[in-house]
Amino acid sequence: DTGVSQNPRHKITKRGQNVTFRCDPISEHNRLYWYRQTLGQGPEFLTYFQNEAQLEKSRLLSDRFSAERPKGSFSTLEIQRTEQGDSAMYLCASSLARQFGEERGSEAFFGQGTRLTVV
Amino acid sequence: EDKVVQSPLSLVVHEGDTVTLNCSYEVTNFRSLLWYKQEKKAPTFLFMLTSSGIEKKSGRLSSILDKKELFSILNITATQTGDSAIYLCAVKANAGGTSYGKLTFGQGTILTVHP
Repeated sequence: DTGVSQNPRHKITKRGQNVTFRCDPISEHNRLYWYRQTLGQGPEFLTYFQNEAQLEKSRLLSDRFSAERPKGSFSTLEIQRTEQGDSAMYLCASSLARQFGEERGSEAFFGQGTRLTVV
Repeated sequence: EDKVVQSPLSLVVHEGDTVTLNCSYEVTNFRSLLWYKQEKKAPTFLFMLTSSGIEKKSGRLSSILDKKELFSILNITATQTGDSAIYLCAVKANAGGTSYGKLTFGQGTILTVHP
């Protein structure tokens, strides 16, 4: 396993279309995160899974966004009825849950991202 | 709401210079502070700091955390053109007694190193 894998790397879509992105985390990592990054900004948290359970969704995630992580392995992020404001880099990250109080080894590793352009 | 602020937003130096990047934060229930380097796509992990005053080093990069004053610095000595990147600071905080790893990022510092 060479790291977090995301595909596609680039997606151009017309406004109003639906898109789906895939993330394959590092195999032993049980936590998976989606972030969105726009030009000149740091990544913003969208949602988080521990195994197959989606435990938090950001207020940034409108009803048009949905994420799944069936069987606690890969995850998909779907955007319905895309808008131009959805254009961004969508980053996936994974990490290993540690015992409370232990931080070492819990750092998140990021994939290469999917760059979405809505025209 | 958790907040992370980085400065400067951009920095242009020449090879061989030493740079200091700053990160200040306001979070509830701080757990750790992380530095990432982002060149083209994926942020790559540099350091995780959890305790004040303990300097982390990796080659020409070093970082230190001050939990009393709520800031961290990242130093890069003898800069090279390959150090050109966006440097991101992120903070991890507890939520309800557990730490699930969600990161709050600053806006990043764009470092450009000229030959």
